[in-house]
Amino acid sequence: QSALTQPASVSGSPGQSITISCTGTSSDVGGYNYVSWYQQHPGKAPKVMIYEVSNRPSGVSNRFSGSKSGNTASLTISGLQAEDEAYYYCTSYTTSSTLNWVFGGGTKLTVL
Amino acid sequence: QLQLQESGSGLLMSSQTLSLTCSVSGGSITSGGYSWSWIRQPPGKGLEWIGFIYQSGNTYYNPSLKSRVTISLDRSKNQFSLKLSSVTAADTAVYYCARGDGSSWLIDYWGQGTLVTVSS
Repeated sequence: QSALTQPASVSGSPGQSITISCTGTSSDVGGYNYVSWYQQHPGKAPKVMIYEVSNRPSGVSNRFSGSKSGNTASLTISGLQAEDEAYYYCTSYTTSSTLNWVFGGGTKLTVL
Repeated sequence: QLQLQESGSGLLMSSQTLSLTCSVSGGSITSGGYSWSWIRQPPGKGLEWIGFIYQSGNTYYNPSLKSRVTISLDRSKNQFSLKLSSVTAADTAVYYCARGDGSSWLIDYWGQGTLVTVSS
């Protein structure tokens, strides 16, 4: 089961915007609008921030937004805050595995 | 508010069978449209799907673990369980149980996670 490709790390200063990419194939990210993004702070369970590429669950700040172009999905965080420092994981529905679900490798966001 | 809580053996020896149970409260595991997953995270590493089960009992496993994994439901106790046989140190991880929304393919509720350590 191949993982989706994410950058290992990104960083930004408070107030800035950053974007995290998640690259897959036409069997997952590119073929379906079932990309989700999760935030994970150390020692905590992940929390969904974006689902179906660009939808935000209730309670999630509108500073978080998602998009997709071809086989690459993106998570953008605007107005960076210290509390945004965490790991971020993308997932997608996939037809390349009998599990039908695949994770990205994760990205560490550092707020400078 | 749905809540999930993992329980089970936290320390195992190599070759033993890992057994974990996820107790669900605030909702029923027999509700249609949801899947019930086990996901793990080795120390300092990323998330890995182990597998999931629907209320129908249909299961889907990570191909890399399929030969060692069994996920099952206990509808009477509103629980679902994970068994992973022949464990090695590579199976040391935090194990999460979680609920998946079948229509949107997202995980909307997670347990707090439980650390399972395999000692050789």
